[in-house]
Amino acid sequence: NAGVTQTPKFQVLKTGQSMTLQCAQDMNHEYMSWYRQDPGMGLRLIHYSVGAGITDQGEVPNGYNVSRSTTEDFPLRLLSAAPSQTSVYFCASSGWGADIKSGYTFGSGTRLTVV
Amino acid sequence: SQQGEEDPQALSIQEGENATMNCSYKTSINNLQWYRQNSGRGLVHLILIRSNEREKHSGRLRVTLDTSKKSSSLLITASRAADTASYFCATARTNTDKLIFGTGTRLQVFP
Repeated sequence: NAGVTQTPKFQVLKTGQSMTLQCAQDMNHEYMSWYRQDPGMGLRLIHYSVGAGITDQGEVPNGYNVSRSTTEDFPLRLLSAAPSQTSVYFCASSGWGADIKSGYTFGSGTRLTVV
Repeated sequence: SQQGEEDPQALSIQEGENATMNCSYKTSINNLQWYRQNSGRGLVHLILIRSNEREKHSGRLRVTLDTSKKSSSLLITASRAADTASYFCATARTNTDKLIFGTGTRLQVFP
């Protein structure tokens, strides 16, 4: 089925470890983004990309890196995990531009616990 | 800081009643979107309203947008137990590519 695929669904890390959260979409969307969701905080934008080779920071970028080498993939890297990064991470994609007609398609999320 | 603030934070109603959620935002926007999130799941897009539109309908959903007051409302008519979820507004700011979410409204619909 077409959509946004996130892996893994669950992950436990030790403080200081690094890891990559994977995100792939098969809808040929230009725009992809990463959000984290914490209780009572809604979704906060970490990084986003408007196309291959183009990335930019969101509201809470510290401690995370991204790259966009292809249209389909947008991995999120945690450089040195901290307990404050315990959260649920969502990847989303969308067509973009002034003629946008529909919103974002979200993945099912990655639940990350840092101990 | 987050762009949108939803009001109320939580809402409990009986099946058949209407549910109204409000969203306020701070800067000029290209469009405003509403999403639903069932517990533990990803977000699902409900409706998008552009900055030059004032009202939009989709099934039992009605969205209004008042750019002069920087506010929007989502009305769900004839609520069902299956509408129980969290609802978020998100704004696409003018001259940026960012979509910023509010903190959400938790809706509980009792059978």
